[in-house]
Amino acid sequence: GAVVSQHPSWVICKSGTSVKIECRSLDFQATTMFWYRQFPKQSLMLMATSNEGSKATYEQGVEKDKFLINHASLTLSTLTVTSAHPEDSSFYICSAAIAGGPYEQYFGPGTRLTVT
Amino acid sequence: GDSVTQMEGPVTLSEEAFLTINCTYTATGYPSLFWYVQYPGEGLQLLLKATKADDKGSNKGFEATYRKETTSFHLEKGSVQVSDSAVYFCALFGQAGTALIFGKGTTLSVSS
Repeated sequence: GAVVSQHPSWVICKSGTSVKIECRSLDFQATTMFWYRQFPKQSLMLMATSNEGSKATYEQGVEKDKFLINHASLTLSTLTVTSAHPEDSSFYICSAAIAGGPYEQYFGPGTRLTVT
Repeated sequence: GDSVTQMEGPVTLSEEAFLTINCTYTATGYPSLFWYVQYPGEGLQLLLKATKADDKGSNKGFEATYRKETTSFHLEKGSVQVSDSAVYFCALFGQAGTALIFGKGTTLSVSS
């Protein structure tokens, strides 16, 4: 149980276009979802925390107008990278927390974004 | 603020060797402690956890004991396998926190 999926697993896009990444909790309801960014050989950097039905809370230094997060249901959160540039190329990972226990986070397999 | 410090890697071992990856933390109160593993090209998987002092988390032959007195949560395995090659992250969730705080990760490479 507690499976989280991400789609797509990898995507290549041209500079200036937007890309949407989906994060789904497949067999549980997630009141809170987290979005992380990981650079090669580095740790995960928390980008934002999203709660179902409310606006996401962004970490300091993360542009909320560039990284749009929507958490429309208890099983789906989306991250849209708007007007992507090569420096946005990274590995994006989401996690979902089971209702009632935000520290029990389950991670998706990640999405590799390459902007050319 | 809360933080996690892991030993720097990479750690290179031969199959069946003993593994220790050190992890210490700074936090107020009694955080929950975790070890996550990331295989190449994949997301993170929870390996084990401990939620209070002296608890021992264990899974797949890996163990870690929550030591409040030394603020540590070292990961150990008695006999590593090639399939254990991955990046290991120590993490904590503080009493007042809303998200996990990760260490920088330690790369383990096991050769046959």
